Amino acid sequence: KAGVTQTPRYLIKTRGQQVTLSCSPISGHRSVSWYQQTPGQGLQFLFEYFSETQRNKGNFPGRFSGRQFSNSRSEMNVSTLELGDSALYLCASRGPVNTEAFFGQGTRLTVV
Amino acid sequence: AQKITQTQPGMFVQEKEAVTLDCTYDTSDPSYGLFWYKQPSSGEMIFLIYQGSYDQQNATEGRYSLNFQKARKSANLVISASQLGDSAMYFCAMREGGLPHAGNMLTFGGGTRLMVKP
Repeated sequence: KAGVTQTPRYLIKTRGQQVTLSCSPISGHRSVSWYQQTPGQGLQFLFEYFSETQRNKGNFPGRFSGRQFSNSRSEMNVSTLELGDSALYLCASRGPVNTEAFFGQGTRLTVV
Repeated sequence: AQKITQTQPGMFVQEKEAVTLDCTYDTSDPSYGLFWYKQPSSGEMIFLIYQGSYDQQNATEGRYSLNFQKARKSANLVISASQLGDSAMYFCAMREGGLPHAGNMLTFGGGTRLMVKP
């Protein structure tokens, strides 16, 4: 069974640009969550999607948005990138019978 | 207030010895779950062990066990017989709300870097 797949693995962007990150959950998982990990702030919850609807949202500015498609794949978009958006972005999926969330390997975004 | 606190930024342990990683939590929700994840340098978060707030017994998974003290709001991870491959960051996390309706929102502690010495 394939795990959670995040693409791309690495990304370098310039301030002011926008970026889209992709997450394919484990087959059968309808819940997808996104997290930002930085050395200063640690792991912070961005948002969660379930069956194409945003179920929970963290305390991030509106520049951070996401969506989920009918096949449960999710995308996260960050507009008007700032240097502080440089981070490891992790995606996690969870199935209906699982207690734990399964994480992808992350996308490491560097904003220059 | 911090919901999850890990007070040990870094720890050393000798190979084959046991080690305890501390975690305290804060919630007013009677139904919650506590998790430990391992993050090697590759970045992926690997699930280790889970403890539900209503579980009567401490969780165990192979070499991992969770010392759950509900009244103290602590959920310490015990790794027995440490191996070199155990060197990594370890995160304690909490999900509030009862299954199966709880979402997938985890609150993480700051992590503990464990280094296993040969």
